[in-house]
Amino acid sequence: EAGVVQSPRYKIIEKKQPVAFWCNPISGHNTLYWYLQNLGQGPELLIRYENEEAVDDSQLPKDRFSAERLKGVDSTLKIQPAELGDSAVYLCASSPTVGWTEAFFGQGTRLTVV
Amino acid sequence: GDSVTQMEGPVTLSEEAFLTINCTYTATGYPSLFWYVQYPGEGLQLLLKATKADDKGSNKGFEATYRKETTSFHLEKGSVQVSDSAVYFCALGLYSGGGADGLTFGKGTHLIIQP
Repeated sequence: EAGVVQSPRYKIIEKKQPVAFWCNPISGHNTLYWYLQNLGQGPELLIRYENEEAVDDSQLPKDRFSAERLKGVDSTLKIQPAELGDSAVYLCASSPTVGWTEAFFGQGTRLTVV
Repeated sequence: GDSVTQMEGPVTLSEEAFLTINCTYTATGYPSLFWYVQYPGEGLQLLLKATKADDKGSNKGFEATYRKETTSFHLEKGSVQVSDSAVYFCALGLYSGGGADGLTFGKGTHLIIQP
């Protein structure tokens, strides 16, 4: 069974430019999460989807970050415009059922803003 | 709010040494507890979990027991190997009725095993 797939693995952009990250969860997983992991820190939740609905986006900086999960499968996280402080690893995770707390993670996208 | 505190690293041990990585938590509900491991260049992998008090999670020689009275979930291994070198994250997860909340992670402990 394929795991959570993220792309790209690495991205380098100049500040003020837009950037997008893509995530394909494990088939059948209706819960999808985006996390932010700064260097030397644990992941922090940005947004949680149940199917296509964003049920917790309280930690998403909505002035520059946006996310969507069309048809309740793939998801895209966007930053516009990017700032130097956005340099981090962006992790996607999925869970098999509503109410189940175990999450399966992708390899992440490492963003460097210069 | 919910939080997880784990011992600072790096932790450096010799091969075959005994390992303990301390983890304590604060939660408003009754969480499930997890240890995730991150090997160099790879994503987070679930190492073990426990869903209720006194449960013991185990995998690959690692163990952790859910201690509600001390709000702890310490990770142990009797004899570490060089291949165990990685970053270990303690985490908690809650079910709020509207679905599985996102996990709350500790800062991670970098483990280095020397041959």
